[in-house]
Amino acid sequence: GQQLNQSPQSMFIQEGEDVSMNCTSSSIFNTWLWYKQDPGEGPVLLIALYKAGELTSNGRLTAQFGITRKDSFLNISASIPSDVGIYFCAGKTSNTGKLIFGQGTTLQVKP
Amino acid sequence: KAGVTQTPRYLIKTRGQQVTLSCSPISGHRSVSWYQQTPGQGLQFLFEYFSETQRNKGNFPGRFSGRQFSNSRSEMNVSTLELGDSALYLCASSFLGRGYGYTFGSGTRLTVV
Repeated sequence: GQQLNQSPQSMFIQEGEDVSMNCTSSSIFNTWLWYKQDPGEGPVLLIALYKAGELTSNGRLTAQFGITRKDSFLNISASIPSDVGIYFCAGKTSNTGKLIFGQGTTLQVKP
Repeated sequence: KAGVTQTPRYLIKTRGQQVTLSCSPISGHRSVSWYQQTPGQGLQFLFEYFSETQRNKGNFPGRFSGRQFSNSRSEMNVSTLELGDSALYLCASSFLGRGYGYTFGSGTRLTVV
């Protein structure tokens, strides 16, 4: 079945540092989504990408839809303590609502 | 604008029982999807409903079922509960039903004992 490989699995960084994480797949996706999940809550959408090559920013977050449509990355600049959480990538291949999720990247930020 | 509401937030059930979880989507959203989240398997797609019709189904046994009502509210049911069904069950709604900015609820934490 379709799988997304998300890396790194976890990161422990100093406040103010930039962070980069990515997802790769053997399948082509036509939508890439990036979510953040805090403990005990549902994932919150950060950035949505709908076109190959698309580069989109949301504040300190920037994400890109890979040209091959098989990968995406998320960058967080100048990290702050509230960036702590689990970040998930999700891909979609069809016009239905089935999202394929990566395994998540756990981010910890040291003040 | 109210978000996606899932009830109850927490549930403890005994093996063999059945359970019904509820999801109220954002007003105007016609698509509702359900996901199971566990530490071992991560986020797994259960099924999606659009205008009261199931459009897509994940790879889960028939004990997992769902439905959507005319007001777009959705329920999922799990019968003959097993210990492995313990998970966070998440519901997501979307306006166009195409994954455009799917909004998740806070989930229902189900514990099977």
